[in-house]
Amino acid sequence: DTGVSQDPRHKITKRGQNVTFRCDPISEHNRLYWYRQTLGQGPEFLTYFQNEAQLEKSRLLSDRFSAERPKGSFSTLEIQRTEQGDSAMYLCASSSRLYRGRETGELFFGEGSRLTVL
Amino acid sequence: AQTVTQSQPEMSVQEAETVTLSCTYDTSESNYYLFWYKQPPSRQMILVIRQEAYKQQNATENRFSVNFQKAAKSFSLKISDSQLGDTAMYFCAFMRQGAQKLVFGQGTRLTINP
Repeated sequence: DTGVSQDPRHKITKRGQNVTFRCDPISEHNRLYWYRQTLGQGPEFLTYFQNEAQLEKSRLLSDRFSAERPKGSFSTLEIQRTEQGDSAMYLCASSSRLYRGRETGELFFGEGSRLTVL
Repeated sequence: AQTVTQSQPEMSVQEAETVTLSCTYDTSESNYYLFWYKQPPSRQMILVIRQEAYKQQNATENRFSVNFQKAAKSFSLKISDSQLGDTAMYFCAFMRQGAQKLVFGQGTRLTINP
């Protein structure tokens, strides 16, 4: 396992369509995160899973957005009825709770899924 | 709420020079982590260096070091002997201890020129 993988890398869709992104974290990591990054900005937190439980959601995550992590492995982020303002890079990251017995706070990121809404 | 500010949108230096990227943050927390992440063009973000707020000693990782001033809420990154491969966006980030959310700054685009 070489890292966090995301699919698709690029998605172009028309306004109003639904899109789904998949993230496969590093296999031994029990924590998984979704961030959104718009051009020229830093990533913004969307949501966080510990195993299969979604423990935190940002107010940025409107009711058109839903994320799942069945069985605590891969995760999906679905955006329904896409809007042009949803155009962004969607980043997935994973982490483990402890490294060498200590909380590290280090996240390992995937290359992202770029969404363009026409 | 915590905020992270990077006041330098872009920087450019010659190869082998030393460069310092600035970051300030605002928090009322006492225990937290600070990070510098590097995002090369079209590649994933990777951790450069990490600092625990309770440690007074500044973190170093090879050519990368930080100047952590807790009272001033400042966390700058120094890159020594810069290399072409250091060209990237650099993001400063904050995480409250016990939380799971990274708060990022706006980023600094660093270009190393040959």
